[in-house]
Amino acid sequence: KQEVTQIPAALSVPEGENLVLNCSFTDSAIYNLQWFRQDPGKGLTSLLLIQSSQREQTSGRLNASLDKSSGRSTLYIAASQPGDSATYLCAVKKQGGSEKLVFGKGTKLTVNP
Amino acid sequence: EADIYQTPRYLVIGTGKKITLECSQTMGHDKMYWYQQDPGMELHLIHYSYGVNSTEKGDLSSESTVSRIRTEHFPLTLESARPSHTSQYLCASSARRVGGYTFGSGTRLTVV
Repeated sequence: KQEVTQIPAALSVPEGENLVLNCSFTDSAIYNLQWFRQDPGKGLTSLLLIQSSQREQTSGRLNASLDKSSGRSTLYIAASQPGDSATYLCAVKKQGGSEKLVFGKGTKLTVNP
Repeated sequence: EADIYQTPRYLVIGTGKKITLECSQTMGHDKMYWYQQDPGMELHLIHYSYGVNSTEKGDLSSESTVSRIRTEHFPLTLESARPSHTSQYLCASSARRVGGYTFGSGTRLTVV
């Protein structure tokens, strides 16, 4: 059974700091890994999608890496801003069948001005 | 613009009422999903569909039902709403295999 773990559960940093969010998964049989952002009471916004054959993806101040063999991904946020405050979710898309996403419990990020 | 739409955004309804949460996508994705999320908690898959006339139950048992008569439309129905159904319901779609998921904005349901 695929399990996804995110560390830390919560993180508070001052504005301008660079930070790393961690995600690990137990089964390497995945199509891809996706990082999402969720604001309180809202839906999920996709940030980055990394295919299983890729090592990293970048979008603006965000960089996500994937090491499928070790079951790990990191999301790097450069020069954090108060507007980055949200819950960040990591999810892997299982191979076969439903191709469902298996989510971690998320990291709640607070960036203080 | 290709997207996924959920209506209503918020719904407050009395116990025993029948409700349908709407979800439509314009991306032509075969696979669609419904997730349930209680405040501050993780997402749980309650229904999914491979395509037209295909529906399956997810990991979390739910009293809701779904239908998939058209590719773009995946409504969720509760025949008799109860306070325990109070939650946020998120709809998503995905292209096959290597495609990412796209989520709607969600419906926040409150049953009083």
